[in-house]
Amino acid sequence: TQLLEQSPQFLSIQEGENLTVYCNSSSVFSSLQWYRQEPGEGPVLLVTVVTGGEVKKLKRLTFQFGDARKDSSLHITAAQPGDTGLYLCAGAWPGANNLFFGTGTRLTVIP
Amino acid sequence: DTGVSQNPRHKITKRGQNVTFRCDPISEHNRLYWYRQTLGQGPEFLTYFQNEAQLEKSRLLSDRFSAERPKGSFSTLEIQRTEQGDSAMYLCASSLVSVGQGYEQYFGPGTRLTVT
Repeated sequence: TQLLEQSPQFLSIQEGENLTVYCNSSSVFSSLQWYRQEPGEGPVLLVTVVTGGEVKKLKRLTFQFGDARKDSSLHITAAQPGDTGLYLCAGAWPGANNLFFGTGTRLTVIP
Repeated sequence: DTGVSQNPRHKITKRGQNVTFRCDPISEHNRLYWYRQTLGQGPEFLTYFQNEAQLEKSRLLSDRFSAERPKGSFSTLEIQRTEQGDSAMYLCASSLVSVGQGYEQYFGPGTRLTVT
């Protein structure tokens, strides 16, 4: 069974704090995407990583893909209330045509 | 670029009724995917189309579910004889797949189905 685990499941922090969420699997991904989803809406694509060791930055968000392409992390600097939402990682395994999603990290940033 | 659209956004139906959802993908995208998301879970893959051909179905797609993409543009997902366990958010996504590309899927806003 191919499992994609995200941690923590829930995270509540004060505005201005930094945080990191993790996405781990025992299998190698051909690519990995991070999405943010708000209640009642579809996931919105934040970033795609493909190469082992790759680091991408999107304003205050930094995404890292593990060297072995089995894990990834999302770091948010100086969190803001607008960052509140469900953060989902989704991986594509070699030869797969669909994405396999983790259960997500639900982030709440308190003003 | 208007993004992926889905209709209706919400549907409440009684157990045993049939429902149909529509998805309009991003116009130049050749692949279209259907996912289902239940409360507290990430989306789960149901099926996908390459142009008008349905190329893969998940084990989650029971015989009561059928999807079509007749002209390679919009797609419909029909659920027959709905059950309470079908209550979920049904998400559509599209992507442009070509040599060396196609990792990124763009999602619509979803259709929230409630079966009473």
